[in-house]
Amino acid sequence: QQPVQSPQAVILREGEDAVINCSSSKALYSVHWYRQKHGEAPIFLMILLKGGEQKGHDKISASFNEKKQQSSLYLTASQLSYSGTYFCGTETSRTGNQFYFGTGTSLTVIP
Amino acid sequence: ETGVTQSPTHLIKTRGQQVTLRCSSQSGHNTVSWYQQALGQGPQFIFQYYREEENGRGNFPPRFSGLQFPNYSSELNVNALELDDSALYLCASSYEETQYFGPGTRLLVL
Repeated sequence: QQPVQSPQAVILREGEDAVINCSSSKALYSVHWYRQKHGEAPIFLMILLKGGEQKGHDKISASFNEKKQQSSLYLTASQLSYSGTYFCGTETSRTGNQFYFGTGTSLTVIP
Repeated sequence: ETGVTQSPTHLIKTRGQQVTLRCSSQSGHNTVSWYQQALGQGPQFIFQYYREEENGRGNFPPRFSGLQFPNYSSELNVNALELDDSALYLCASSYEETQYFGPGTRLLVL
């Protein structure tokens, strides 16, 4: 049930854009996105609920295609602070009693 | 700062021993989840507690058990430790569908 993310790793120069994809084999109620820096706990970025809404703040946004069971995270004009491993997390029901993190995408932003 | 604390930060145990990890979340966060994160891997869902009752469980054996208390603290207990239990253990409390992670407890089993 673990969602699959692509790409596995990406290297960007400051100012470039990136897209990270998350794909599930199960129908989803929600998709969460997290960033985790080495040796630290995951930090919540945003949640997208069933309904296909797109969310965003600052230069990071995400979309959720409920029919395709996919979500994408968009990072625009990347900054050095964006470096880390990005995980999607999925719930298949409103009660959220099973939460699965994706396979992870390592993102490195270089000057 | 997420307001979620965990103790201890690091722990070394030997195979066969038992361990208790603790988590304290913010007032009003009725749901707490525990995750195991092996080195280089994503967090794996162990279980979730809601209002002091287990509300869901991942693919972990019964020697992984938990408790949640009325004061928004919780425990993860692992019996008969195995070498593969070495990992970072994260707790996360939930409020309005957002999970707030603690800094984790790094467990090493020798």
